[in-house]
Amino acid sequence: GQQLNQSPQSMFIQEGEDVSMNCTSSSIFNTWLWYKQDPGEGPVLLIALYKAGELTSNGRLTAQFGITRKDSFLNISASIPSDVGIYFCAGQTSGSRLTFGEGTQLTVNP
Amino acid sequence: NAGVMQNPRHLVRRRGQEARLRCSPMKGHSHVYWYRQLPEEGLKFMVYLQKENIIDESGMPKERFSAEFPKEGPSILRIQQVVRGDSAAYFCASSPRTDANYGYTFGSGTRLTVV
Repeated sequence: GQQLNQSPQSMFIQEGEDVSMNCTSSSIFNTWLWYKQDPGEGPVLLIALYKAGELTSNGRLTAQFGITRKDSFLNISASIPSDVGIYFCAGQTSGSRLTFGEGTQLTVNP
Repeated sequence: NAGVMQNPRHLVRRRGQEARLRCSPMKGHSHVYWYRQLPEEGLKFMVYLQKENIIDESGMPKERFSAEFPKEGPSILRIQQVVRGDSAAYFCASSPRTDANYGYTFGSGTRLTVV
């Protein structure tokens, strides 16, 4: 089946630093999504990407859909303590099934 | 404008018992998806349902697991004769359309613990 390789697994940064995480796949996806999950909660959609090469921003978050359609990255600028959580990439081909990465655990030290 | 509602939030079952997890989609959403998340892992697709129909159950274990989304009422994920390995967080998501290109809306999950 399809698999997404997400890296890094965890990050420990100081408040104010920028963060970058990425996902790669051996399969092509038509849509890339980035979610954030807080402890005890479900994932919340941050950014959705629909076209190869697309670069989309949502506040301090920026994500890109790789030109090969096999990768995506998420950047967070000027991190703040509430950015703490687990970030997941997810890819979608046909139909509605999402394939999730294993997550990046982000810790922000004040 | 309630989101996706799942209950119970936490469920404890002894080995061999049945677990029933409920999901009420967002108003106007007729497509429901169930995912399972083991500790320290990402979400894994289980099943996709529309009202009264199972569209894709390729992620469901072949035995003990079943799902339904009746014409009236919530979607139900049913696990019979639970085992310790069934302990996980189960998330439901809903969308109003098939392609869901804008991403799903997830519920807060049901955390199942089998003792």
